[in-house]
Amino acid sequence: DTGVSQNPRHKITKRGQNVTFRCDPISEHNRLYWYRQTLGQGPEFLTYFQNEAQLEKSRLLSDRFSAERPKGSFSTLEIQRTEQGDSAMYLCASSSTTGGANTGELFFGEGSRLTVL
Amino acid sequence: RKEVEQDPGPFNVPEGATVAFNCTYSNSASQSFFWYRQDCRKEPKLLMSVYSSGNEDGRFTAQLNRASQYISLLIRDSKLSDSATYLCVCMDTGRRALTFGSGTRLQVQP
Repeated sequence: DTGVSQNPRHKITKRGQNVTFRCDPISEHNRLYWYRQTLGQGPEFLTYFQNEAQLEKSRLLSDRFSAERPKGSFSTLEIQRTEQGDSAMYLCASSSTTGGANTGELFFGEGSRLTVL
Repeated sequence: RKEVEQDPGPFNVPEGATVAFNCTYSNSASQSFFWYRQDCRKEPKLLMSVYSSGNEDGRFTAQLNRASQYISLLIRDSKLSDSATYLCVCMDTGRRALTFGSGTRLQVQP
């Protein structure tokens, strides 16, 4: 399968613990995005990378959240000192820029579901 | 106020019906628009882009009204397999990130 891969698919943790999610994008894609989705809502933008550079972070992303894409390939999203409000589906997506054009097509992974008890 | 507003539905329609979804956006800098489809417990997938002149893809027609900041999606001859949540999406080309609405849920019934 050459799509976007995320793991773990499910994570249950206790409040106050740290969690880390990994995303492996489609190999030729240079852009990588993290979104968060809760029940009944659309995906909410968190941050995005072009190659290894983190170009934008949502103001919703508190200082407990950090994302990296050290070699411009896979990315990790870490949440420190988790809170119950962090419970959500964390979606990773990737896209490519072809000739400078952006078609708006993001390829999403199946997501990592976080439950904070 | 959310940047992209949609009626959450659900829209319950019989097979073969025509159904329309609307969406409004508040960011006048939005330049590109899309409809994504999300099946239950699955990831979102691009359904179609929305062009200023309107565009059609089979049974699906998308329209954009920049003056009113309004986007629509029309589905003709609904199929059971069209049951899903339809997400209205805007992109401010200065940002490169997509902004999603909360989605409109469609349930097509036999």
